Amino acid sequence: VQLRESGPGLVKPSETLSLTCDVSGGSITSYHWNWIRQPPGKGLEWIASISYSGNTNYNPSLKSRVSIFSDTSKNQFSLRLASVTSADTAVYFCAREGDAVYLDFWGQGTPVTVSS
Amino acid sequence: QSALTQPASVSGSPGQSITIPCSATTSALVAFNYVSWFQHHPGTAPKLLIFDVYNRPSDISSRFSGSQSGKTASLTISGLQASDEADYFCASYTTTSSWVFGGGTKLTVL
Repeated sequence: VQLRESGPGLVKPSETLSLTCDVSGGSITSYHWNWIRQPPGKGLEWIASISYSGNTNYNPSLKSRVSIFSDTSKNQFSLRLASVTSADTAVYFCAREGDAVYLDFWGQGTPVTVSS
Repeated sequence: QSALTQPASVSGSPGQSITIPCSATTSALVAFNYVSWFQHHPGTAPKLLIFDVYNRPSDISSRFSGSQSGKTASLTISGLQASDEADYFCASYTTTSSWVFGGGTKLTVL
């Protein structure tokens, strides 16, 4: 299973960040799929997850600004984060939640900078 | 502040063993049966080393082991090798079906 994130790299403050995770070697119609980020010099922060059946779960601190959705025809899932600020500058990772409760496959991350 | 606390750095010489602790700061949330550990070389995908506190994926060396005492989980790397130099972080599933992470520990092999 391989995951690959893609995104704009640079986003202006107050705009909406859109990221996509392409999954190969496995179907997103199984398992749970997650977005996680790491701000510069800080630890990882879980953002959101979406299940194989489309159920979603969000970090309460981001819930008002974030949405996660999937496109089974393209075998990918995506994240939208609205009204971004410099605090949203981070490397964004997508990850699969495996057979049991663990994150077994990750992408290599895509850096996002929020700056005017 | 991360929900799980790890030391910022540890170091050891080749052949030695090191242990990285991971303590919960919000124990009410953390499901302690579901602590996992990852190795991360910046710019690459994090690699799962340990899941469910003690278990290793089949492709992970037995030099990596996990343990737990109370609200502190630990990763031990034995027989240190130069290739072990990387960032290591712990993660735990929570009672609200989310994930929390440690701040990460940079391992230096002297």
